[in-house]
Amino acid sequence: SAVISQKPSRDICQRGTSLTIQCQVDSQVTMMFWYRQQPGQSLTLIATANQGSEATYESGFVIDKFPISRPNLTFSTLTVSNMSPEDSSIYLCSVHGGLAGYNEQFFGPGTRLTVL
Amino acid sequence: AQSVAQPEDQVNVAEGNPLTVKCTYSVSGNPYLFWYVQYPNRGLQFLLKYITGDNLVKGSYGFEAEFNKSQTSFHLKKPSALVSDSALYFCAVRDGTGGFKTIFGAGTRLFVKA
Repeated sequence: SAVISQKPSRDICQRGTSLTIQCQVDSQVTMMFWYRQQPGQSLTLIATANQGSEATYESGFVIDKFPISRPNLTFSTLTVSNMSPEDSSIYLCSVHGGLAGYNEQFFGPGTRLTVL
Repeated sequence: AQSVAQPEDQVNVAEGNPLTVKCTYSVSGNPYLFWYVQYPNRGLQFLLKYITGDNLVKGSYGFEAEFNKSQTSFHLKKPSALVSDSALYFCAVRDGTGGFKTIFGAGTRLFVKA
């Protein structure tokens, strides 16, 4: 298993500003995933972050809006840039339980973002 | 392309009764199937998974799920529901032929009434 922490746990931000969310894992992992979840709704994958390479973004998400850093095998950041109220959501960091494709995922507690 | 459907937004069951939360999927290769649970104000937790082998898999908290290849379903079940099982349940699928991208269903909210 993996223990994941996220900072901040929640924040209220003004329109047009940016917020950087940190994700720390207690073990080294190859891939880290960033999801967005509207409260009570499904998860949408934003991007996959591999250490030492550019993040891979899903359709509808771009690097200028959601830049990601992955400086080492235990840490990643997601920045939500030039925020608007539509960015209000819960942002989740996730890792796989191992290198095999059939491993389950572990999730951080989430960062609840409200944009005014 | 992968997809997963949870046809019920909400399932209501009385405590002590059996519960079923439905899930159907579509993948191009062999599926890896997962169930996750999200309790109020808490993160997602892994419940169980199907990779290969026995179609009935058992997981945490007394939950089990049955893989049905012909019906492309992976329904979550529990013989006797508890009030504490009330939560949001997500079915997820990954294409077993390659890649690590996981697709999550819309979620089903389970209410267990005492």
